[in-house]
Amino acid sequence: EPEVTQTPSHQVTQMGQEVILRCVPISNHLYFYWYRQILGQKVEFLVSFYNNEISEKSEIFDDQFSVERPDGSNFTLKIRSTKLEDSAMYFCASRKDRNNYGYTFGSGTRLTVV
Amino acid sequence: AQKVTQAQTEISVVEKEDVTLDCVYETRDTTYYLFWYKQPPSGELVFLIRRNSFDEQNEISGRYSWNFQKSTSSFNFTITASQVVDSAVYFCALCIQGAQKLVFGQGTRLTINP
Repeated sequence: EPEVTQTPSHQVTQMGQEVILRCVPISNHLYFYWYRQILGQKVEFLVSFYNNEISEKSEIFDDQFSVERPDGSNFTLKIRSTKLEDSAMYFCASRKDRNNYGYTFGSGTRLTVV
Repeated sequence: AQKVTQAQTEISVVEKEDVTLDCVYETRDTTYYLFWYKQPPSGELVFLIRRNSFDEQNEISGRYSWNFQKSTSSFNFTITASQVVDSAVYFCALCIQGAQKLVFGQGTRLTINP
């Protein structure tokens, strides 16, 4: 069964450093997402991406965050200057088209900012 | 705005007991989708079920069953004859038609004791 792949599974970074989280969505999917889960809390929507542009973003997704689809397969989330409160599990997800609500989530990247 | 409430923060039962996880949602939209995800200790989100708002039939899958009641805006999840491997955090989520994001509840941490 097709999977959404996220790398790395765990990343430790120093406060103030830039970090890039990587995702390979399912190849025929058109919509891509990033979600965040602070430890012990609920999963929160960050951003959706379609047709090479952001289609929706949450209040959490401020100027420190950016997303990119640099080639035909990767989908990245960049945090420019990490803060302690950015420590969380970050999930990438994709879905096939606007009428298909079958979201597929990756296994997540646990980001620890020290 | 949409909202999902999982009032049970933690549930602990003994193996082989039946357990029901509650989910109450709020939306003004008439077409929407409801989801349940399982998050085991390893952290990934495991898809369990998706149900659209026009399908109120209850569903059974092995030891799992779901009770969708539009009249009470609830989508409850029952595990019959629970097993230790069912221990996880379970999330209920909502997506309205045409929207991009999933709105998650706070999650219920289920512990099955041997």
